[in-house]
Amino acid sequence: SYVLTQPPSVSVAPGQTARITCGGNNIGSKSVHWYQQKPGQAPVLVVYDDSDRPSGIPERFSGSNSGNTATLTISRVEAGDEADYYCQVWDSSSFYVFGTGTKVTVL
Amino acid sequence: EVQLVESGGGLVQPGRSLRLSCAASGFTFDDYAMHWVRQAPGKGLEWVSGISWNSGSIGYADSVKGRFTISRDNAKNSLYLQMNSLRAEDTALYYCAKGGYGEWEQTRGAFDIWGQGTMVTVSS
Repeated sequence: SYVLTQPPSVSVAPGQTARITCGGNNIGSKSVHWYQQKPGQAPVLVVYDDSDRPSGIPERFSGSNSGNTATLTISRVEAGDEADYYCQVWDSSSFYVFGTGTKVTVL
Repeated sequence: EVQLVESGGGLVQPGRSLRLSCAASGFTFDDYAMHWVRQAPGKGLEWVSGISWNSGSIGYADSVKGRFTISRDNAKNSLYLQMNSLRAEDTALYYCAKGGYGEWEQTRGAFDIWGQGTMVTVSS
């Protein structure tokens, strides 16, 4: 089965940049999507197809994907960005696979 | 407004059955694949099942295959999940999620709309 590995937690000061990694075998050949989940709420798609943003998502959210690592970057971090973040890909044997999740804490 | 509203969750004994429903509104339901994704308490997200726009193709995670059945009624803009032979490890918040246009298997497939979820607790 295909596995996506994320760091359990990332801490960042307000106004700084948070980078969340998602590791998977040759993930650069796949389309990666990122979801934000705030406590008690449903996930929200924040980046799709590696680096595109749905309407309504701030430009502060960006993504990249190459080799064995995809990265979600949150620039000028705000208190409201504090949440769990999950990466997700499609794999022909495992179907829809989610990463292990990263808790972003704003200091 | 695009919206998905789940219902049907509850407390059920191991081995029993439960049927979840998801009512869709605000988009052309019968154009899109639909999915169920679950999240155990304090845990991450797990894809459960997906169904194509016309019910012609269906997929399941190995953890539920043979026990769960996904279906849809496009006339009612509704998605369903019949869950049989429930186990304690099926305890989770079950989300209905909108997939891409057409088929449930999509190499670039993402879930752009989610419901608020319905909680299923399997316990004696």
